[in-house]
Amino acid sequence: NAGVMQNPRHLVRRRGQEARLRCSPMKGHSHVYWYRQLPEEGLKFMVYLQKENIIDESGMPKERFSAEFPKEGPSILRIQQVVRGDSAAYFCASSQDQSVTDTQYFGPGTRLTVL
Amino acid sequence: AQSVTQLGSHVSVSEGALVLLRCNYSSSVPPYLFWYVQYPNQGLQLLLKYTSAATLVKGINGFEAEFKKSETSFHLTKPSAHMSDAAEYFCAVSNQAGTALIFGKGTTLSVSS
Repeated sequence: NAGVMQNPRHLVRRRGQEARLRCSPMKGHSHVYWYRQLPEEGLKFMVYLQKENIIDESGMPKERFSAEFPKEGPSILRIQQVVRGDSAAYFCASSQDQSVTDTQYFGPGTRLTVL
Repeated sequence: AQSVTQLGSHVSVSEGALVLLRCNYSSSVPPYLFWYVQYPNQGLQLLLKYTSAATLVKGINGFEAEFKKSETSFHLTKPSAHMSDAAEYFCAVSNQAGTALIFGKGTTLSVSS
């Protein structure tokens, strides 16, 4: 049973370009979460999605960032006009249910470097 | 609002020694608590979770944690450290709505031979 898949694993962009990060949840999971990890920091929640719906985006920056989880295909985290401060590791997690006790399974992350 | 604090950003132990990683939580409702481990350049792996069924929770790789409401703590322990335990460990609490995990800043565990 494949785990959570993320690609690319490493992404380099120049300032002003767009970054697209993809996440395929575990089989049978319909809940996806995105987190960002800055150097020397823990993970910070960004957004929680179910198929075709954004449920909680309270951690998402208001500008330049967007996320989607279409009916078919992976979840996408999109960062427009990247800046150096966007350099970080972005982790996706998935769960089977939306419950305070349900386990979130994490992918290996995408490490974004903005030059 | 929920939060967790991990005391000590770095912990060093000798192989075979007791591992103790500290986590204190703040929550206005009964908390649901998690410990995750992260190896270099990898994602997070769940070690164990507290969901109010039992205060002493056993996890993978010989780790366990005890929920102490009076101390608002959920410390992670392992009786005997292995070299392979060297990694970063994160304590987390589920937010009230169950839509997100709130993580501590992490503790890096080093194990020397």
